[in-house]
Amino acid sequence: QQQVKQSPQSLIVQKGGISIINCAYENTAFDYFPWYQQFPGKGPALLIAIRPDVSEKKEGRFTISFNKSAKQFSLHIMDSQPGDSATYFCAASDTDKLIFGTGTRLQVFP
Amino acid sequence: DTAVSQTPKYLVTQMGNDKSIKCEQNLGHDTMYWYKQDSKKFLKIMFSYNNKELIINETVPNRFSPKSPDKAHLNLHINSLELGDSAVYFCASSQLLGSRTQYFGPGTRLLVL
Repeated sequence: QQQVKQSPQSLIVQKGGISIINCAYENTAFDYFPWYQQFPGKGPALLIAIRPDVSEKKEGRFTISFNKSAKQFSLHIMDSQPGDSATYFCAASDTDKLIFGTGTRLQVFP
Repeated sequence: DTAVSQTPKYLVTQMGNDKSIKCEQNLGHDTMYWYKQDSKKFLKIMFSYNNKELIINETVPNRFSPKSPDKAHLNLHINSLELGDSAVYFCASSQLLGSRTQYFGPGTRLLVL
């Protein structure tokens, strides 16, 4: 039972481009939506998170867009850099239990 | 300064053996978790503890037994290891029960032969 669906599975972007990763959820009780970044051989690290009372949150080059009625949220990485190459996970929770998406492997080429 | 640490980093063992993975956090957090990341990188919660008390126990085989000697430590003991247990196991912590921000350790890569 996959409660959080994430796409695409992999993404190749040129340096300076915009990377967009999408997630959709089913449980309307979810009220916290984080994005985690994971580099090879490392643990996931919190990148940015949003609550459903706002439609957008921006931190530097990273922006979450949230559409409550569509039950969708997305991560936008502006001016993508080779150092952004990693696996990105969306997640959702209504308690302290995080339900993760399946991950997106992002590769940014110079 | 390591926030969430795990030992060992790598663990290679034979099927049928019993092994333990240790986790420690120095963040002063009350809640700790174990996650399993499979070969397709899918992350799934296994257990959570709050102040040494079991809170979440997902449908994990009872060969897996978490133990929390104090709120800074959460260990995972696995009995009778099976091939399918091969995965990366991550420990995480959060400040309080209900705090949504979780901090992950570096992972323990378990390979069962």
